Formats: sequence, structure tokens, C-alpha cells
Amino acid sequence: QKEVEQNSGPLSVPEGAIASLNCTYSDRGSQSFFWYRQYSGKSPELIMFIYSNGDKEDGRFTAQLNKASQYVSLLIRDSQPSDSATYLCAVKSGGSYIPTFGRGTSLIVHP
Amino acid sequence: GAGVSQSPSNKVTEKGKDVELRCDPISGHTALYWYRQSLGQGLEFLIYFQGNSAPDKSGLPSDRFSAERTGGSVSTLTIQRTQQEDSAVYLCASSRTGGSGANVLTFGAGSRLTVL
Repeated sequence: QKEVEQNSGPLSVPEGAIASLNCTYSDRGSQSFFWYRQYSGKSPELIMFIYSNGDKEDGRFTAQLNKASQYVSLLIRDSQPSDSATYLCAVKSGGSYIPTFGRGTSLIVHP
Repeated sequence: GAGVSQSPSNKVTEKGKDVELRCDPISGHTALYWYRQSLGQGLEFLIYFQGNSAPDKSGLPSDRFSAERTGGSVSTLTIQRTQQEDSAVYLCASSRTGGSGANVLTFGAGSRLTVL
């Protein structure tokens, strides 16, 4: 059973702070890692994906992957109230086309 | 189309009735997924279609659930003899399977099913 674990939160940060969201996974064969954002009552939308160990930056977002420790994280710099949402981690192994999703972490950015 | 289109957006039905949920994926996306999201829960995989290959049905929770995809495009998820525990948002997603961004899922707005 492939598992993807996330702290459900809520994670509460003040506006302008760095929000750090973490995700661990059980399948060592995992090769593709995705972060999706889901606003309340809406469907998930992709923030970014990462395939290689290390950091990948896109604007205020940085994804960090450590395959040896089997975790992937998402950093949000200069957090804004509009970043308040649930963040879903998804992991796909090399032999599958089907990503497994974590339950998500609820982020609240307060002014 | 420009995005993934799902219908109906909301469906209220009585226990024991059959329902059909429709998904029209992004043009050119060969992969199509159905997920289910219950209130406050994560995404539960249901079924995956890739081109003309046999679908991966490993996530279907019971034989009351079935899905088909006609002509490699539109998909219909059918739930027979609905139960209250089937109440959830049913999300359809599509993706490319090659090139940059392969396997990045684009989701539709979902079909909210309520079984009374």
C-alpha cells in the first residue's frame, strides 16, 4: 500500500512569513512529486512538480525533495491571506501513471 | 475544450437509484482519471483510462461502480443502487502522458453527489 502522509493542520502563519508544508511517502520507487492547492469548495490546481533531489523554485514557492529521507516539502515565502487553502501532496511511482494523494494540510495566513 | 468539464455539478438522489456522472477532458489529453473526495478527506483514486488501453479499475470500491470512456474522450462514471456512503465530490482529471509536465493532472470542477 503506497502511502502519502501530511499533517492535516491547520498551519497558521502571519502574513509575510514563510509557510513550510511537509509530506512523507512510503514507496521508495516514487519518481514524480506534485503539490496542488485546493481552495474551499473548489477543485485542486497544480502549484508545481519536482522530479530530482534538491530545490525547485517558482516565484514565492519552493519545492524541496529528499528521496533518501522520502520527504518532499513546499515553502511559501511572503505568505499572503490568499494563500489560505489546503495543500495536497501527490506522489507517483515510476511504474504507474496514477498519483497517490495525501490528505492535505490546511494553511491559514492571517493578516 | 479549454478545461475539464464535468456534469452535473450537483446531483441529489435517493438511496437505491442509479446515477451517471460525465467528464469531458481537455482535448489532446490521453489520460483520464476519476477520484472521489469525501468531506474533509483526501482524494481517493477510482479508475484510470489511457488511450485505448484497458482501464485500471483497481480503485473502484465495489461492483456498483463502473466507468467507460468512449472514443478516447468523454467518460461516464455510473453508480448503481446508490448508498449514503457514496455521497462525495467526484472529481475527473485529465493529463498528457508525454513531454514536459506529463502526468500533471488538470481537474474539473467536480460533481457533488448527495444520496438521501
